[in-house]
Amino acid sequence: DIQMTQSPSTLSASVGDRVTITCRASQYISAWLAWYQQKPGKAPKLLIHQASRLESGVPSRFSGSGSGTEFTLTISSLQPDDFATYYCQHYNGYLWTFGQGTKVEVK
Amino acid sequence: QVQLVQSGAEVEKPGASVKVSCKASGYTFGSYGVSWVRQAPGQGLEWMGWISAYNGNTNYAQKFQGRVTMTTDTSTTTAYMELRSLTSDDTAVYYCARGNGHHDYWGQGTLVTVSS
Repeated sequence: DIQMTQSPSTLSASVGDRVTITCRASQYISAWLAWYQQKPGKAPKLLIHQASRLESGVPSRFSGSGSGTEFTLTISSLQPDDFATYYCQHYNGYLWTFGQGTKVEVK
Repeated sequence: QVQLVQSGAEVEKPGASVKVSCKASGYTFGSYGVSWVRQAPGQGLEWMGWISAYNGNTNYAQKFQGRVTMTTDTSTTTAYMELRSLTSDDTAVYYCARGNGHHDYWGQGTLVTVSS
């Protein structure tokens, strides 16, 4: 199975900060990567698919980049609503996996 | 609008089985697959497997092979996930999610508690 490793596990930031989360795949996955945001007690929300395609309705301060084995999610200017946990997920082939998550908390 | 509505919370004893349903509406059911994803208390997301709503083909994570069965009923546009031989480690919120790779719509989650 392809393993997905996110870093950092926790990130402390302030409103207005630029935030970057990294996701590394243990094997080549081309651009078959999605990013989700999850808040406590809620289902995950799709932010980005195919590594860099912004889902409809998602604010443009979110962006994704990368291909192959290394990917990043960037929030250009952190807003109060963005404090949450973020997960990457690969969908290369038939067996998919999530990263372990990155919690973005208030500094 | 697209909706995935899951069945209610379940409490099961160790060794038992649980079957969770996911009723889809607002889109052509057969055009998308459904994944099942679980989340243990305080833990991350774990992909369990996927089923094609078009032809019933399934892909299961190795961890759940032999213990999980995913099915669909196209007449009622409902997906099902059955997990057998439950242990306390299976206590989690179980989500269904629409997609053929990435998942754009999710159910509200079903809490399954395994306790003697």
